[in-house]
Amino acid sequence: EDKVVQSPLSLVVHEGDTVTLNCSYEVTNFRSLLWYKQEKKAPTFLFMLTSSGIEKKSGRLSSILDKKELFSILNITATQTGDSAIYLCAVEASSGRYSNYQLIWGAGTKLIIKP
Amino acid sequence: EAGVTQFPSHSVIEKGQTVTLRCDPISGHDNLYWYRRVMGKEIKFLLHFVKESKQDESGMPNNRFLAERTGGTYSTLKVQPAELEDSGVYFCASSRVTGGGSYNEQFFGPGTRLTVL
Repeated sequence: EDKVVQSPLSLVVHEGDTVTLNCSYEVTNFRSLLWYKQEKKAPTFLFMLTSSGIEKKSGRLSSILDKKELFSILNITATQTGDSAIYLCAVEASSGRYSNYQLIWGAGTKLIIKP
Repeated sequence: EAGVTQFPSHSVIEKGQTVTLRCDPISGHDNLYWYRRVMGKEIKFLLHFVKESKQDESGMPNNRFLAERTGGTYSTLKVQPAELEDSGVYFCASSRVTGGGSYNEQFFGPGTRLTVL
């Protein structure tokens, strides 16, 4: 069965710290890996990764994918209280039956940034 | 541009009752997805519409769940009769359709929290 595992489940750090969130997966028909940030309600898109070793960056956030070892990391440097959220990892994979691509989600990492 | 909206934001019903959730996607988005997050577990795919057609409903848990998207605009998800294990947050997302099957960002609604007592 396809699965996506995120670690840690929760993390509490102080402002200014750097954090690394992990996402590993076992998925057939992998297409891409996506990171989302969920604050109050709806998840919002951060990154899409399809190729190994190519770092995606957006401000203080960056992410990289390793398709050989089947994992991705999301780094946040110089964290701020506004970074507090649940960070979700999802893998886009073929559902097989209908040749469509579904998102298979991890459980999320709850990140709390203390002032 | 208005985002994806869902109604209601929270519904509390008793076991055996019927509940209908509504999702209004972003205008022009032909793809519409339903997801569910139960008891703090990971978000699970339920089904995918392209316009009014069900493209993939492999994630629907059982026949108590019925999704429709008449006219290819808004969608409803009906649970009848509701059971305790149906409690959770139901998310809707929409995206554009592009050729070649490339990924288009899914925009999520705020979710409907369903509590079955």
